[in-house]
Amino acid sequence: GDSVTQMEGPVTLSEEAFLTINCTYTATGYPSLFWYVQYPGEGLQLLLKATKADDKGSNKGFEATYRKETTSFHLEKGSVQVSDSAVYFCALRGGSYIPTFGRGTSLIVHP
Amino acid sequence: DVKVTQSSRYLVKRTGEKVFLECVQDMDHENMFWYRQDPGLGLRLIYFSYDVKMKEKGDIPEGYSVSREKKERFSLILESASTNQTSMYLCASRTLAGDSYEQYFGPGTRLTVT
Repeated sequence: GDSVTQMEGPVTLSEEAFLTINCTYTATGYPSLFWYVQYPGEGLQLLLKATKADDKGSNKGFEATYRKETTSFHLEKGSVQVSDSAVYFCALRGGSYIPTFGRGTSLIVHP
Repeated sequence: DVKVTQSSRYLVKRTGEKVFLECVQDMDHENMFWYRQDPGLGLRLIYFSYDVKMKEKGDIPEGYSVSREKKERFSLILESASTNQTSMYLCASRTLAGDSYEQYFGPGTRLTVT
């Protein structure tokens, strides 16, 4: 079946540092890939998405590229802010009707 | 703006009580989902609904039931609450139109069973 593996956290960074959160997946066919973000005390919201190989999703300074050859969708940001502190979830929608989520990676950004 | 609302942000119930969690979406979405979120375990799917009056079990349906009588509303029912059902419950909806299939989430209900 489909699966998503993302790096365990917490990831702790200083403000303005470079961020990478790794995400790899297993799926048949050509899944759509997503990053969701959950700020403290809130539900998840879509951060960015990519629906086909080599697509780059981007939003709020975050980027992720759909790499079919390495089955990866790593999240990056060049300069994080304290306000980026949240939990980040990688997810896919494959052949199954049901989305598959990673376990989430907590990001803590210090001033 | 799309919106998914949940009936309560915080709820405290006693063991053995019947608990209703309500979710409403205003986007005319076909699909709706109930998840629970626990530290270290991520999101786990309890039930989902393809459309009105349709439901399917997810990964952890034991101890839960659902109801979807109207397209905009999806209810999660804990028939007899137990302490191991203390958790954050998240509702989500999704349309099948277009090609992205992204989900829209409510703010969550933090349930404590004592």
